[in-house]
Amino acid sequence: AQSVAQPEDQVNVAEGNPLTVKCTYSVSGNPYLFWYVQYPNRGLQFLLKYITGDNLVKGSYGFEAEFNKSQTSFHLKKPSALVSDSALYFCAVRDKGSGNTGKLIFGQGTTLQVKP
Amino acid sequence: EAGVTQFPSHSVIEKGQTVTLRCDPISGHDNLYWYRRVMGKEIKFLLHFVKESKQDESGMPNNRFLAERTGGTYSTLKVQPAELEDSGVYFCASSFDRRNTGELFFGEGSRLTVL
Repeated sequence: AQSVAQPEDQVNVAEGNPLTVKCTYSVSGNPYLFWYVQYPNRGLQFLLKYITGDNLVKGSYGFEAEFNKSQTSFHLKKPSALVSDSALYFCAVRDKGSGNTGKLIFGQGTTLQVKP
Repeated sequence: EAGVTQFPSHSVIEKGQTVTLRCDPISGHDNLYWYRRVMGKEIKFLLHFVKESKQDESGMPNNRFLAERTGGTYSTLKVQPAELEDSGVYFCASSFDRRNTGELFFGEGSRLTVL
């Protein structure tokens, strides 16, 4: 069965330090992978995606993610965290069983807390 | 350009009552999705419209849930009668992406509390 796992409910980092939010997936074949962010009282917002090509994907707000096929991971990273990065982050994979649609399978979310 | 809007932002009802959630997608977006997040768990797919047609409703929990998208514009999701386990945040998302790569625009969600 297809699935996405975010092993950490919460990640705490100090402002200016690098951050990593972990995501692993289980899907056959080549996955379409996504990161979305939800700021307080806002809707989910697309950050970045991996479909094919370079394993290091760059997205909005200085975030990047590295696709690692052998480890079936797609960790979200940022070299220097900002307090304004504090939010809820969701990793997702496109459901391959649904054909060519935007149907996504989400992880349970990771709360990122960046402290000054 | 207006984003995806959802109404109401929060609804509190008693078990057995009916609630209707509304979603206005971004103008011109043919694809409209409903998702739900229950009790802080993962966000789960409910259904997908392409214009006014239901493309995939495999995620709808049971027949107490009814989604419509008349005219291919806004969509409603009705829960009748509501049960305690229906509490959660209901997200609507839309996309114009004809390749359906999964880049969706989400609304702020409608929080449903069933007492």
